[in-house]
Amino acid sequence: GNSVTQMEGPVTLSEEAFLTINCTYTATGYPSLFWYVQYPGEGLQLLLKATKADDKGSNKGFEATYRKETTSFHLEKGSVQVSDSAVYFCALRGSNFGNEKLTFGTGTRLTIIP
Amino acid sequence: GAVVSQHPSRVICKSGTSVKIECRSLDFQATTMFWYRQFPKQSLMLMATSNEGSKATYEQGVEKDKFLINHASLTLSTLTVTSAHPEDSSFYICSARTGMNTEAFFGQGTRLTVV
Repeated sequence: GNSVTQMEGPVTLSEEAFLTINCTYTATGYPSLFWYVQYPGEGLQLLLKATKADDKGSNKGFEATYRKETTSFHLEKGSVQVSDSAVYFCALRGSNFGNEKLTFGTGTRLTIIP
Repeated sequence: GAVVSQHPSRVICKSGTSVKIECRSLDFQATTMFWYRQFPKQSLMLMATSNEGSKATYEQGVEKDKFLINHASLTLSTLTVTSAHPEDSSFYICSARTGMNTEAFFGQGTRLTVV
């Protein structure tokens, strides 16, 4: 079945530091890949996505590239801010009919200190 | 983006009682709603998928008689935890989408504590 392995947290960084949160996946076919963010007290929000190999998703300064050869979708940001403190989830959606469910990683809690 | 409202955000109940959690799509019609359960430091586990007007499809290992799901309208789905026990204490999250392969929008979650 499909699975997502995500870098365990918590991760604590200073403001303006470079961020990488690793995510690798196992899936059949050609899944779509997602990063969701959950701010304190709120629901999950879609941060970015990529639907095919070599696609780069980007939003709010965050980027992730769909690497089929390494089955990875690492999240990066060049300069984090305190407001980026949240829990980040990597997820995939299967491409086969009847397998369109989202499969999530365990989540990585990110804390940015001023 | 579209808004999904989940209510209540927190609930405490006694063992043996039932608890109902509501999930509403506020500004779109949700043909499909999903219910997840999240344990501490673990990922979201899909419990069931419900399509409006039809019975929910439960994931393997999820007791359908214990976790009753109703999706009676295009804007409301409910999850009822029947005869709750302390091991049912968890964070429950719903999401909704308009159609296949469309973006799913998430509620803010419900923290259930059974004492």
